[in-house]
Amino acid sequence: DAGITQSPRHKVTETGTPVTLRCHQTENHRYMYWYRQDPGHGLRLIHYSYGVKDTDKGEVSDGYSVSRSKTEDFLLTLESATSSQTSVYFCAISGTTGRRMGGYTFGSGTRLTVV
Amino acid sequence: GENVEQHPSTLSVQEGDSAVIKCTYSDSASNYFPWYKQELGKGPQLIIDIRSNVGEKKDQRIAVTLNKTAKHFSLHITETQPEDSAVYFCAASIGFGNEKLTFGTGTRLTIIP
Repeated sequence: DAGITQSPRHKVTETGTPVTLRCHQTENHRYMYWYRQDPGHGLRLIHYSYGVKDTDKGEVSDGYSVSRSKTEDFLLTLESATSSQTSVYFCAISGTTGRRMGGYTFGSGTRLTVV
Repeated sequence: GENVEQHPSTLSVQEGDSAVIKCTYSDSASNYFPWYKQELGKGPQLIIDIRSNVGEKKDQRIAVTLNKTAKHFSLHITETQPEDSAVYFCAASIGFGNEKLTFGTGTRLTIIP
C-alpha cells in the first residue's frame, strides 16, 4: 500500500546480531503495529504503538523492542537475533480516515532470515 | 486473551462454485471482525468487516455472517474466480479496528479452473 513502507524487504543476518526493521507511514495514523507471520500461526502481534513514545507489548514480544519518536516511523529491533526469529514481519497502521473507519493497512512485509 | 480459530486451513473449489471459511472466537466482548486477503508476496488486505451490531454484510461476491451467540463468523465467496486464490485471514478485536487484532491461522483458498 502506498501509504506504508517497510524496509528492508529482505534481510539475512547472523545469530546474535542486532537487527532493526523500519516502518514508515504517510497517512498520519495514530496506531501502528508489528506482526510476525509464521506457517501454522497466522499473524501474531509483537508490539504496537498508540502514539509517539507510547508503545505496548503484544503476545510475542520477548526478544523484541520498539521505538516511535515520530508519528510516521515505527522501528522494530531484534536485540540479539535468534533462528526462531526467522519470519516475515509485517507493519500495519490504523486510524480513522474520511473514507473508512477502522481496519488495518499492512505494509508489504520484511522477510528476515537468521542464520 | 482472545483466541481465534479458523477452518479449514486449505480449501479447493471449482471455479464458479462458492467457498466458505469459518472462524470462532473466545472473548464475548469482541465486537469487530475483519477479513483479510493475502496474495503471494504481499501484505494482507482488508476485504470486508462486520461489527457486532450487524448479522450479515455483503459486498458484491463476498459476504460475512456473524453469530454472536455461538461466537462464530464466516466468509462466503460466491461465483469464485481464479483471482480469488489467496490466503484469507479472519480476525477479532474489542473495538472498531484501532485496537489490537487477534488473527486466525489462515485459509489457503485455491480456485480450480
